[in-house]
Amino acid sequence: EVQLVQSGAEVKKPGESLKISCKGSGYSFTTYWIAWVRQMPGKGLDSMGIIYPGDSDTRYSPSFQGQVTFSADKSISTAYLQWSSLKASDTAMYYCVRRGAGSGYYFDYWGQGTLVTVSS
Amino acid sequence: SYDLTQPPSVSVSPGQTASITCSGDKLGDKYACWYQQKPGQSPVLVIYQDNKRPSGIPERFSGSRSGNTATLTISGTQAMDEADYYCQAWDSTTVVFGGGTKLTVL
Repeated sequence: EVQLVQSGAEVKKPGESLKISCKGSGYSFTTYWIAWVRQMPGKGLDSMGIIYPGDSDTRYSPSFQGQVTFSADKSISTAYLQWSSLKASDTAMYYCVRRGAGSGYYFDYWGQGTLVTVSS
Repeated sequence: SYDLTQPPSVSVSPGQTASITCSGDKLGDKYACWYQQKPGQSPVLVIYQDNKRPSGIPERFSGSRSGNTATLTISGTQAMDEADYYCQAWDSTTVVFGGGTKLTVL
């Protein structure tokens, strides 16, 4: 069974750094792209970008370029999303998602989400 | 930037057919997909490649695309289908989500 299990909720202060994780299992972690999707409170879905764990090829959506960093450790089938200096506006649920293997661009499995709260 | 436009809300009576549209200038040559999100849960893929259903998704969910508009259709809508629905496409560089449609079954 394919699973993406994310790290737990975080409460941080503005200016602090943070790294959240997403562990894949039940499939070949290195051969599927992993994307990150943000959902701000009461709002819709925003694509942040994507990483290929096999070689760490990374693409950031324009709105998130320079704001976050993706990484992956294929030895432990885990992808990461990190911030160097959080802002209150980073408060959101963050989902890691697997890109499907077929034609087109779709996300076939979603993690349970990591809630990040940034408040002074 | 590339936008996908959905109606904010759609209402349907139980047992009737619900249709949710998604329109975008570049949708004509790109596959669309659809996600269902219930309160407090992660989104779930219900349609991909315009009209394919992942395993486990009921047959009452179907998708189509004509020109620059993709449509999610739920036949024989059930109370459990009440949720937010998001369309999504890709413009060769950026993944784009529609703003979401709240489906109310009343």
